[in-house]
Amino acid sequence: DTAVSQTPKYLVTQMGNDKSIKCEQNLGHDTMYWYKQDSKKFLKIMFSYNNKELIINETVPNRFSPKSPDKAHLNLHINSLELGDSAVYFCASSPTGQGGQPQHFGDGTRLSIL
Amino acid sequence: SQQGEEDPQALSIQEGENATMNCSYKTSINNLQWYRQNSGRGLVHLILIRSNEREKHSGRLRVTLDTSKKSSSLLITASRAADTASYFCATRSSGGSNYKLTFGKGTLLTVNP
Repeated sequence: DTAVSQTPKYLVTQMGNDKSIKCEQNLGHDTMYWYKQDSKKFLKIMFSYNNKELIINETVPNRFSPKSPDKAHLNLHINSLELGDSAVYFCASSPTGQGGQPQHFGDGTRLSIL
Repeated sequence: SQQGEEDPQALSIQEGENATMNCSYKTSINNLQWYRQNSGRGLVHLILIRSNEREKHSGRLRVTLDTSKKSSSLLITASRAADTASYFCATRSSGGSNYKLTFGKGTLLTVNP
């Protein structure tokens, strides 16, 4: 049973396109996250939702729009993709998020912009 | 801003040897965590140490925390080829967002059979 699952695993698309990445967790956690990992493996928080409420919104271009239809799902929509968006995007979840609880990660979505 | 900095960036050892990785951070923390990332996979939580703890063990893992030096170390004893992975420290600052973990750039550990 996959705890945090992301789809698709690979995404190759042209510059200027719009794409979405989906994430689902079956752990019953309240808090979910999106991270971006660049080519040097640096992992940076983008967004976090707690019970469908946005609680972290780092300095991310507004082309990136997260959406949480329920606390088990957190999707990421990206408009007008740019070359610099090429990276691995990870979804994660934690029980409540407070106090820096351990996070459970999906296996990532590898986004390549041509 | 980046909080954790792992050292070394890369480490190559023989199976059976011990591996030590270090993490330095800049601000006061609530806790510090270590994660492992195998190639092509997501991060896996290994161990959490709170700011009032100095040492913690989990199997072949030993973590130390020195809040006066703002540093932590992860020791993997009797390494195995399967330990080959990137290792990241992550900190939960005592101020700021209650939910945010800040990750370092990681140490790439290669264990040669």
